Amino acid sequence: DVLMTQSPLSLPVTLGQPASISCRSSQSLVYSDGNTYLNWFQQRPGQSPRRLIYKVSNRDSGVPDRFSGSGSGTDFTLEISRVEAEDVGVYYCMQGTHWPSTFGPGTEVDFK
Amino acid sequence: EVQLVESGGGLVKPGGSLRLSCAASGFTFSKAWMSWVRQTPGKGLEWVGRIKSKTDGGTTDYAAPVKGRFTISRDDSKNTLYLQMNSLKTEDTAVYYCTTGAAGIWGQGTLVTVSS
Repeated sequence: DVLMTQSPLSLPVTLGQPASISCRSSQSLVYSDGNTYLNWFQQRPGQSPRRLIYKVSNRDSGVPDRFSGSGSGTDFTLEISRVEAEDVGVYYCMQGTHWPSTFGPGTEVDFK
Repeated sequence: EVQLVESGGGLVKPGGSLRLSCAASGFTFSKAWMSWVRQTPGKGLEWVGRIKSKTDGGTTDYAAPVKGRFTISRDDSKNTLYLQMNSLKTEDTAVYYCTTGAAGIWGQGTLVTVSS
């Protein structure tokens, strides 16, 4: 299975300041169709995961534009331009290129 | 409104069986690939398996830990996804979520506890 790693695993943040999470895969996530199936999810306390970003950089409907995704191959990044109170939670990257899809271990985002 | 609602979780003894259901609404279920994902405090999020739409063959794929024990099926006439879990082990204890193909939509999850 493709191993997904994230760093940091814990991210203390400050309201209004930027934040960044890194995700790396053990294999290239470029699929034979040319797409890269790397998604980002947010899980708030007590809630189900919610997809924020699909195929590296595409925001899901209703996701604030302060969230952005970038990267290629095996290295990816989720950035929050200005952290808001509602952004507290755990963030996961997930690859859907190779079966079975696999998730990273999660990055816990909380306020300092 | 697009919605997935799981049911059927509960407490079961090791070696026992359980069937989970996932009722879908707000989208064309018959055209969707559907998946089950589980979450445990120790192992995080883990893909269980998926089923393709009938037009794409209706075939299933499973993760290694559940292959041969779990079966995913669908009833497009009822807009419902199923997960039949047999020979349950303590390590199958988790919250089970159903999701659409690329995990764009998630249900609220249902807790399965395998314990004697």
